[in-house]
Amino acid sequence: AQSVTQLDSHVSVSEGTPVLLRCNYSSSYSPSLFWYVQHPNKGLQLLLKYTSAATLVKGINGFEAEFKKSETSFHLTKPSAHMSDAAEYFCVVSDQYGGFKTIFGAGTRLFVKA
Amino acid sequence: EAGVAQSPRYKIIEKRQSVAFWCNPISGHATLYWYQQILGQGPKLLIQFQNNGVVDDSQLPKDRFSAERLKGVDSTLKIQPAKLEDSAVYLCASSLGGQGIPGELFFGEGSRLTVL
Repeated sequence: AQSVTQLDSHVSVSEGTPVLLRCNYSSSYSPSLFWYVQHPNKGLQLLLKYTSAATLVKGINGFEAEFKKSETSFHLTKPSAHMSDAAEYFCVVSDQYGGFKTIFGAGTRLFVKA
Repeated sequence: EAGVAQSPRYKIIEKRQSVAFWCNPISGHATLYWYQQILGQGPKLLIQFQNNGVVDDSQLPKDRFSAERLKGVDSTLKIQPAKLEDSAVYLCASSLGGQGIPGELFFGEGSRLTVL
């Protein structure tokens, strides 16, 4: 069965500094991995996805994530935080052998200080 | 392209009452999901449909929750009777399913339920 663990419930950074949001997953098969973002009172939006191609994935708004199979991790990074990045971020795992069952992590709230 | 439509956006009911939420997925999307998102938590999968059939409903409280997807398009999620702990945002999402990339979901704006 798949599962996903987001290692930090809250992360606080200063504007212009790097962002790291950590995610570990468990899957019996080759998983697809995703990061979604949810701004306050807004719907969920896909940031980026990994589907067994390049292990370094680039997404929207300057975010990227690296799939590391040996560490079962898929951490989200951004070189320089912007105030508009303040939101809730969800790491998501899915695998086709699970019928595309899609499991969300508990989320990481990102705070960006001026 | 029209997105995932949900209604109502907001609903307030008293405990033991019933409520229904409606979802219209993106045209051509075979897979439809209902998630429950309680404040401060990640979305929890309640039920997943592939066309008309149920792929997974292991976390659906079947004594009070029911869902259907007639003709493989629209879906309705019902709660009867509601409990205080059902207060949450109910998110509908759709994806291409087997034809597309697994797990790439497109979400509606959600239906916020408050149970008093």
